[in-house]
Amino acid sequence: EPEVTQTPSHQVTQMGQEVILRCVPISNHLYFYWYRQILGQKVEFLVSFYNNEISEKSEIFDDQFSVERPDGSNFTLKIRSTKLEDSAMYFCASSENTALPGNTIYFGEGSWLTVV
Amino acid sequence: GNSVTQMEGPVTLSEEAFLTINCTYTATGYPSLFWYVQYPGEGLQLLLKATKADDKGSNKGFEATYRKETTSFHLEKGSVQVSDSAVYFCALSEAGGSYIPTFGRGTSLIVHP
Repeated sequence: EPEVTQTPSHQVTQMGQEVILRCVPISNHLYFYWYRQILGQKVEFLVSFYNNEISEKSEIFDDQFSVERPDGSNFTLKIRSTKLEDSAMYFCASSENTALPGNTIYFGEGSWLTVV
Repeated sequence: GNSVTQMEGPVTLSEEAFLTINCTYTATGYPSLFWYVQYPGEGLQLLLKATKADDKGSNKGFEATYRKETTSFHLEKGSVQVSDSAVYFCALSEAGGSYIPTFGRGTSLIVHP
């Protein structure tokens, strides 16, 4: 069964460093997403991406964050200068379409980011 | 705005016990409702969904009924197994939110033999 894959599974980084989290969405999907979950809190939407541009973003997704689809398969989340509060599990997801009720999105296993 | 509230976990049960995980929601329109499950070391997977009031979603022995009058979508299973141990996430999506799911905190289920 096709799946979303994410790398790395766990990364420890020093505060102020740049981090890039990588994702390979399911191949025929057109919409891509990043969510995060701070330990013990809700799974929060960060950003959605379609047709090589951001389609929606949340208040969390400030200037420190950026997304890119550098080639035909990868989808990346960059955090420019990490803060302690960026420590979280980051989930990548993809879907075939979005503008339908019951739209199902498919998640990767997550990348656990620890900022020290 | 939209939100989802789930019961606090962990929920600890013995094998073959009856499971209920409560979920209530707040939405401005007519949302679709979902349960996702995350098994240890894996990503979130769609477990079941319902797109309109009174619909019942079901999968792998789990079921949940979309109750508009109580704004709820409680997850139930008649007889849990050790392999059901996981974190369960309730979620909603609607047109006003571009059908992007809004999730709850997740409820951890631990099933003992």
